[in-house]
Amino acid sequence: DAGVTQSPTHLIKTRGQQVTLRCSPKSGHDTVSWYQQALGQGPQFIFQYYEEEERQRGNFPDRFSGHQFPNYSSELNVNALLLGDSALYLCASRRQGYENTEAFFGQGTRLTVV
Amino acid sequence: AQSVTQLGSHVSVSEGALVLLRCNYSSSVPPYLFWYVQYPNQGLQLLLKYTSAATLVKGINDFEAEFKKSETSFHLTKPSAHMSDAAEYFCAVSGKAGGTSYGKLTFGQGTILTVHP
Repeated sequence: DAGVTQSPTHLIKTRGQQVTLRCSPKSGHDTVSWYQQALGQGPQFIFQYYEEEERQRGNFPDRFSGHQFPNYSSELNVNALLLGDSALYLCASRRQGYENTEAFFGQGTRLTVV
Repeated sequence: AQSVTQLGSHVSVSEGALVLLRCNYSSSVPPYLFWYVQYPNQGLQLLLKYTSAATLVKGINDFEAEFKKSETSFHLTKPSAHMSDAAEYFCAVSGKAGGTSYGKLTFGQGTILTVHP
C-alpha cells in the first residue's frame, strides 16, 4: 500500500503565478482534504472533496480551488500567488463512513513563493 | 466553532522521563479528538484517536491520552521518553458524523518535544 502520495515534493514559484499540486489517496479511500501548514503553525483546513464535489471549505479565498477525479485523486490550484502562500501543503485521505474518521496524510508539497 | 489549544509550544524532557503534552479543546458537543506526530520535513502520522468509546485511549509507541469532558482536555502521555520521540506533536479535533465539521480537522499550534540524553 503506497499510502497518500503527493507531487511535487518541492516547488518554487514567482508571485502572481499559478500552481497546481497533486494528491493520490490511500488505496480504498474516497475523500480527500487539503491543508496549508505555514512555518511554525498547525495545519489549516482548506477544503474537502468527496464524489468529485467540494463538500466543506475553510476560510481561504477563491484563489484556492480544487478538483477531484473519478479515481479519487485530487488537485489543489492556487492562482495569483502571494508571498504568504509559501507553506507546506498537506493532502489527507479517508474513507467516507460513520466509523472511518481517521485521516492519513501525505508527505506534503513545500511551496515557496518568491 | 471548534478550537484546540496546546499549552506549551516547546517541551523538553530527559530520556526515560515522563512525557506530558497538554491539549484543551473547545466544542459545543463532545468531538472526535486526535494526536498526530510530525517529524521534520514529513507529513503527519496518527498516534491515537478518541471517538467516544473508552476515555483512555492507547496509541502507537506507548503513547496514550485521556479524554476528560469536565476539563475539556485530551492530554498526551508516555511513561518513558525515547530519543526517537523528538518531533512536533499536534492535537486536533473534528466534529462527529452528521455534523457540519465532520471530517474537517482543526489543529492546535503544535508542541515541539525535545528529548535529552
